[in-house]
Amino acid sequence: GEDVEQSLFLSVREGDSSVINCTYTDSSSTYLYWYKQEPGAGLQLLTYIFSNMDMKQDQRLTVLLNKKDKHLSLRIADTQTGDSAIYFCAGNQFYFGTGTSLTVIP
Amino acid sequence: DTGVSQNPRHKITKRGQNVTFRCDPISEHNRLYWYRQTLGQGPEFLTYFQNEAQLEKSRLLSDRFSAERPKGSFSTLEIQRTEQGDSAMYLCASSTAGGADTEAFFGQGTRLTVV
Repeated sequence: GEDVEQSLFLSVREGDSSVINCTYTDSSSTYLYWYKQEPGAGLQLLTYIFSNMDMKQDQRLTVLLNKKDKHLSLRIADTQTGDSAIYFCAGNQFYFGTGTSLTVIP
Repeated sequence: DTGVSQNPRHKITKRGQNVTFRCDPISEHNRLYWYRQTLGQGPEFLTYFQNEAQLEKSRLLSDRFSAERPKGSFSTLEIQRTEQGDSAMYLCASSTAGGADTEAFFGQGTRLTVV
C-alpha cells in the first residue's frame, strides 16, 4: 500500500492564496488527484495530474508535482469562503491522504 | 440518473448483527469502488469492481466483509458479525474505465453505527 500524508489544518484570509501539501511514499501512482469534501456532502474531484507532468493549472487551481521528493501541492488562488472544506490528495483511486481542513477567514 | 446513490444513508445496528449496504452507480459507469472513512481520516480503499469482476481487495477487507456486483450494475457490501470498530462512513464511487479524466463520482455514503 501507499502512505499519503497531509497537514491537518490550514487557515487563510479571504483573497489570499492557499497551498495544501501532500507527500506520498509509493511512486507507482499513474495519476494523482485532489478532492474536496464539504460537510454533509460527498467527495468532489477538483483536479488531477498525470505522473509525468510537473504542473497543471486549472482556473484558480495550480497543481505542482515533485516526483523526486514525492511531493504534491494544490494552490488555490484568491481563496474564497466557499473554499472552506477538507481537501484530500489521492494516488490513482486507491490511496487517499488524511485530509487538510481549510478554513477561510472573511 | 443524477449520481451515485447509496442506501441506507444511516444504519444503527447491534454488535454481532449483519448489515448490508447498497450502491447504485451512474448507469454507464463500469467501475465501482468501496471505501471506508472514519472521523478525521481520508477514505480507505476496500475493493473495486470492473463490471461484475472484483479486481482488487484491500487487506482491510477482512473475512467478515464481502462485496458483490452480480450483474455489473448495483453493488452490495455486507458486514457479518459487526464490531464496534466497524462504525464508519462507507463510501461508494463509480467511474468509467480508462485514464485520469475518468472522474470517480462519489455517493454521499452510508453511516454505520455499531452499538
